[in-house]
Amino acid sequence: NAGVTQTPKFQVLKTGQSMTLQCAQDMNHEYMSWYRQDPGMGLRLIHYSVGAGITDQGEVPNGYNVSRSTTEDFPLRLLSAAPSQTSVYFCASSPPLGTPSFGPGTRLTVT
Amino acid sequence: GEDVEQSLFLSVREGDSSVINCTYTDSSSTYLYWYKQEPGAGLQLLTYIFSNMDMKQDQRLTVLLNKKDKHLSLRIADTQTGDSAIYFCAESSSSGTYKYIFGTGTRLKVLA
Repeated sequence: NAGVTQTPKFQVLKTGQSMTLQCAQDMNHEYMSWYRQDPGMGLRLIHYSVGAGITDQGEVPNGYNVSRSTTEDFPLRLLSAAPSQTSVYFCASSPPLGTPSFGPGTRLTVT
Repeated sequence: GEDVEQSLFLSVREGDSSVINCTYTDSSSTYLYWYKQEPGAGLQLLTYIFSNMDMKQDQRLTVLLNKKDKHLSLRIADTQTGDSAIYFCAESSSSGTYKYIFGTGTRLKVLA
């Protein structure tokens, strides 16, 4: 099993550009989520999904969209990048009542 | 709302024990977790404890849970330079085990 994979590992965007961060898992986990990590603030939940076709907002959803058309994939879309979205983004997945597994992260810089 | 707090820094000498503390607010948390993050890497699950337990030991790691005070600690015995990392405490929220609330992380520095 590859576990949770994320692409790209690094990305630089200009303000106003859009892009999609990819996340995939091969463990057949129902639950998937996106977090952002900023210095001194830990991980904050952006969006999460409890199964294909179901998504919901987390703590900091503004400026981000998600969709879950398959169990395996949970892409995160930045609609119009802003410098405040410079961060490290982590995707996680877990089975019901299980512990989450994290991807390696995507380091995003918005100039 | 739910909140998890940790001190930001801890420095210990190699061979000493490290104790990383965490307080949380959600008394209905089901599981509490400790994750380790090395520089430039993702989060690695170290250990977790179910909320009806007081203590869990796993080799050099000891987790203590005080539910009354909502306090969780991670003790690392015989701390090594390879233990230098950021340690995150997390709880599964009362809304379900798919939502996790993380602390700010404690940066552990081990001095040789």
